[in-house]
Amino acid sequence: GQSLEQPSEVTAVEGAIVQINCTYQTSGFYGLSWYQQHDGGAPTFLSYNALDGLEETGRFSSFLSRSDSYGYLLLQELQMKDSASYFCVGGDAGKSTFGDGTTLTVKP
Amino acid sequence: KAGVTQTPRYLIKTRGQQVTLSCSPISGHRSVSWYQQTPGQGLQFLFEYFSETQRNKGNFPGRFSGRQFSNSRSEMNVSTLELGDSALYLCASSLGGEAAEAFFGQGTRLTVV
Repeated sequence: GQSLEQPSEVTAVEGAIVQINCTYQTSGFYGLSWYQQHDGGAPTFLSYNALDGLEETGRFSSFLSRSDSYGYLLLQELQMKDSASYFCVGGDAGKSTFGDGTTLTVKP
Repeated sequence: KAGVTQTPRYLIKTRGQQVTLSCSPISGHRSVSWYQQTPGQGLQFLFEYFSETQRNKGNFPGRFSGRQFSNSRSEMNVSTLELGDSALYLCASSLGGEAAEAFFGQGTRLTVV
């Protein structure tokens, strides 16, 4: 099975940089994904790391270290609209184990 | 292209009843996964269907079942509803294989009274 741990809440100010960490314990690990979910909305895919290293997509970057069973999501130039829940997810799209989610609050 | 469509969006049922939820995936996607989301338990994987076959299953009781049709549309059924089944049920579609990206529908909000 898999389990993923991430902080429950993070607060930052507009324009800042925030890092959301995720540690995992898993067997049959494929890779680490990140999803964003706004209140009342559906989760939307942000990024996927199959290999160690950094993946960059605009203001968002994601990192994976398999040897450390650790990854993170880095959000730069925070905007108010980034206030949402962020989930790290283990496995492929067919069967995914979600972390409990990190609620990011961006303040002006 | 059209996204993932789940119907109905909202549902109120009484304990002991059964319910069927529907999910239409993105055209061309053969994998449909179902999740239960509750404030206390987060997003929990229920099962995945790929080409009409259940390929993966989470740790839910047998009251939760599903199926997938030849057009990839999927249904999820919950029998003998319990109060604790009140949740947002999300389905996600993907190409299958080891595809990383899943596309979620807006979910069905089920309330059991």
